[in-house]
Amino acid sequence: DAGVIQSPRHEVTEMGQEVTLRCKPISGHNSLFWYRQTMMRGLELLIYFNNNVPIDDSGMPEDRFSAKMPNASFSTLKIQPSEPRDSAVYFCASSTGTSGSYWETQYFGPGTRLLVL
Amino acid sequence: DQQVKQNSPSLSVQEGRISILNCDYTNSMFDYFLWYKKYPAEGPTFLISISSIKDKNEDGRFTVFLNKSAKHLSLHIVPSQPGDSAVYFCATPSMNYGGSQGNLIFGKGTKLSVKP
Repeated sequence: DAGVIQSPRHEVTEMGQEVTLRCKPISGHNSLFWYRQTMMRGLELLIYFNNNVPIDDSGMPEDRFSAKMPNASFSTLKIQPSEPRDSAVYFCASSTGTSGSYWETQYFGPGTRLLVL
Repeated sequence: DQQVKQNSPSLSVQEGRISILNCDYTNSMFDYFLWYKKYPAEGPTFLISISSIKDKNEDGRFTVFLNKSAKHLSLHIVPSQPGDSAVYFCATPSMNYGGSQGNLIFGKGTKLSVKP
């Protein structure tokens, strides 16, 4: 399998612009996670989908952030308007999320490195 | 407040020697722990895990030890190789989902450098 695919790999934008990050999970996986990595806070969860339904979005910083999963093979994370403090590496991860299992291996994409000037 | 702590941001080890990476956690209810390895410009990849019913799990050169009373775990790499140079993250599943699949809570990572 191709693994988790993220695009773009790098994004440089100006403050106030809209940014859309994309993720294609591994085929057959029904749990999808968006994480953000910063120097100050490390790797932290933004939002978690199961069977395309958002389960936990408590990590989304504020209303400027939104995420969608219109189908099992695609998810987007949108920042509008973007701010310099949003500069970070954004990772998408997926897992099989078998019902009843406590934990299964999460597979991470390569990440999108975002720089907001 | 950090629930999973890796207090050493970096570690440098000579090739062939043992690398020991440490991790502390705050919640005694955590019962499953994982180590992920991350190379630059790549996503984290799963390395090894341990359940709280064990105090040791071994996979080749990698061994994880769990001390529940101290709320401490460590990853041992023996012998260390230059290709092991990476950032290592300790993680545990979130307790927020009633025992069902959820997100991982990560430490901030330790950058390991193995010198030839």
